[in-house]
Amino acid sequence: DSGVTQTPKHLITATGQRVTLRCSPRSGDLSVYWYQQSLDQGLQFLIQYYNGEERAKGNILERFSAQQFPDLHSELNLSSLELGDSALYFCASSVRSGRAYEQYFGPGTRLTVT
Amino acid sequence: GEDVEQSLFLSVREGDSSVINCTYTDSSSTYLYWYKQEPGAGLQLLTYIFSNMDMKQDQRLTVLLNKKDKHLSLRIADTQTGDSAIYFCAETPNYGGSQGNLIFGKGTKLSVKP
Repeated sequence: DSGVTQTPKHLITATGQRVTLRCSPRSGDLSVYWYQQSLDQGLQFLIQYYNGEERAKGNILERFSAQQFPDLHSELNLSSLELGDSALYFCASSVRSGRAYEQYFGPGTRLTVT
Repeated sequence: GEDVEQSLFLSVREGDSSVINCTYTDSSSTYLYWYKQEPGAGLQLLTYIFSNMDMKQDQRLTVLLNKKDKHLSLRIADTQTGDSAIYFCAETPNYGGSQGNLIFGKGTKLSVKP
């Protein structure tokens, strides 16, 4: 158990809908990263927050957004969902922001868009 | 740009050593990671190495780094059936704005036969 929690574990929704994925980092970790894992693209970095502020963006679609709250949990919002958004979404946390800090991953949320 | 490549499959017999290989393209100082993903689970951090090191050993795991060839390997001694999983190599890009996000390879599926 990494100490990172994600809810829900599974999510099934229809095209065009909006969903919110939630992540609670390990106790004491200030940085949260979101990744998408799909068969086509593999594991891709989406976005990172550190202590409530956005720090880095990767291959994140404009239909997707995220935020980190004062209690340090983070939410990833996916809107106008398409079939191709079906994937596993992971969050990871680290103590601080930067290359020297190990990232610990949550169990993921499996999103299925029908 | 950054790219991490791995072979997709490896099959070994229980008790043998497994060697999983990875090549990366970022030639500057970086951190290189090995993660393990079991079916239906998140990514488990196994070990990591900084690019000024040649080798790191941690119990049954040995990481070897050849900086000249940008080649990283993970050796698992006395491989057990419980080691069957997908192993991901990852690096952290080394540019000014990098905040530690991971660039992953496609993963190597290790199958251990009894």
